[in-house]
Amino acid sequence: VRLLESGGDLVQPGGSLRLSCAASGFTFSGYDMTWVRQAPGKGLEWVSTIHATTGRTYSADSVKGRFTISRDNSKKTLYLQMNSLRAEDTAVYYCAKVVVAGNNYYYYGMDVWGQGTTVTVSS
Amino acid sequence: QSALTQVASVSGSPGQSITISCTGTSSDVGGYNYVSWYQHHPGKAPKLMIYDVNNRPSGGSNRFSGSKSGNTASLTISGLQAEDEADYYCCSYTSSSTLVFGGGTKLTVL
Repeated sequence: VRLLESGGDLVQPGGSLRLSCAASGFTFSGYDMTWVRQAPGKGLEWVSTIHATTGRTYSADSVKGRFTISRDNSKKTLYLQMNSLRAEDTAVYYCAKVVVAGNNYYYYGMDVWGQGTTVTVSS
Repeated sequence: QSALTQVASVSGSPGQSITISCTGTSSDVGGYNYVSWYQHHPGKAPKLMIYDVNNRPSGGSNRFSGSKSGNTASLTISGLQAEDEADYYCCSYTSSSTLVFGGGTKLTVL
């Protein structure tokens, strides 16, 4: 079971970036998926979650209207489209698999995490 | 949504037991039995230690246990080992259908 994030980069304030998370070793379409970030010197912060198959999404107020979570179950890949980036979005971004299979079980917890991809927003 | 409250640091000697608390409100920790705990070694992926307040994931160590009383959840680590030294985070479901993490607790094994 593995998650591999990619797409992190240095981007200017106001810019855009798309993160990807490739899944392997489990039935990707069977689980809700989540993005979590950690800013330098700070704690973990929940960013966004998407249901396994319904496509329903949830996002933190800090990113609502700027970030969009999506998934392609045929490609076993999770995405995070990040627009209007700000300095405070600088962080390591992790994708994570929810521990319980099915739609709308995201609140149980996340049992598989990627190694993270670094996003730096700076001019 | 404000972060859940965790003490910044705790410490213990090998073999001892320690408890890390996580305080929220009736809109998160107190309102739902959906609290999870994560161990995070800097530079590595976080690891799920407890979910659903007191359930261990498959293959999880039985030295880790969770509980909840009112608006406060707790993680207890028994038989402390050097490798337990890490940052620990609680996470709860909220009435807004979001998730919220605690600020994190740094565990030092003396």
